[in-house]
Amino acid sequence: AQSVAQPEDQVNVAEGNPLTVKCTYSVSGNPYLFWYVQYPNRGLQFLLKYITGDNLVKGSYGFEAEFNKSQTSFHLKKPSALVSDSALYFCAVRDPMGRRALTFGSGTRLQVQP
Amino acid sequence: AAGVIQSPRHLIKEKRETATLKCYPIPRHDTVYWYQQGPGQDPQFLISFYEKMQSDKGSIPDRFSAQQFSDYHSELNMSSLELGDSALYFCASSSSIDRELFFGEGSRLTVL
Repeated sequence: AQSVAQPEDQVNVAEGNPLTVKCTYSVSGNPYLFWYVQYPNRGLQFLLKYITGDNLVKGSYGFEAEFNKSQTSFHLKKPSALVSDSALYFCAVRDPMGRRALTFGSGTRLQVQP
Repeated sequence: AAGVIQSPRHLIKEKRETATLKCYPIPRHDTVYWYQQGPGQDPQFLISFYEKMQSDKGSIPDRFSAQQFSDYHSELNMSSLELGDSALYFCASSSSIDRELFFGEGSRLTVL
């Protein structure tokens, strides 16, 4: 069965500093990996995805993620955090050989302090 | 650009009542998914439909059912509602070409 782990419930970072939100996955075969962001009482917004190709994926709002197969990780990064980046971030995985639905991690709350 | 439309946005019901949520996917998307997100929880997959046929089933209770219609919109029917059914219900759609799911704003169900 596919699964995703987000080890941090919350990440705090000062505005202007780099941020990292961690994600590790477990899936048979090559995974499809995604990051979504959720603002309070809103739907999930797609940030970026890794399907194949370059391990460094660039997405919306200046976010990027690095796929590391040996460490089964897909950490979300941003060089310079903004207060408006404060939200709930979900990592998700989809098994290309089986289920079409996404399996989400438990979410990480990012708090960017001014 | 058109997004996934869900209705109603908010719904209040009492225990043992029924509720129906509707979802209109992005045009030309062939797959619809339903997720349930409890307070402080990650979204849990309930069920999905591909070309109007059920394609995958997750943790959907037997009291719930869903279907996708000829115009590709989908409805989630919930009966014998329980307090624990209070949650945000998200619908998402995707196409065979794009792997990502596009989510609606959700329907918040409160069961009293």
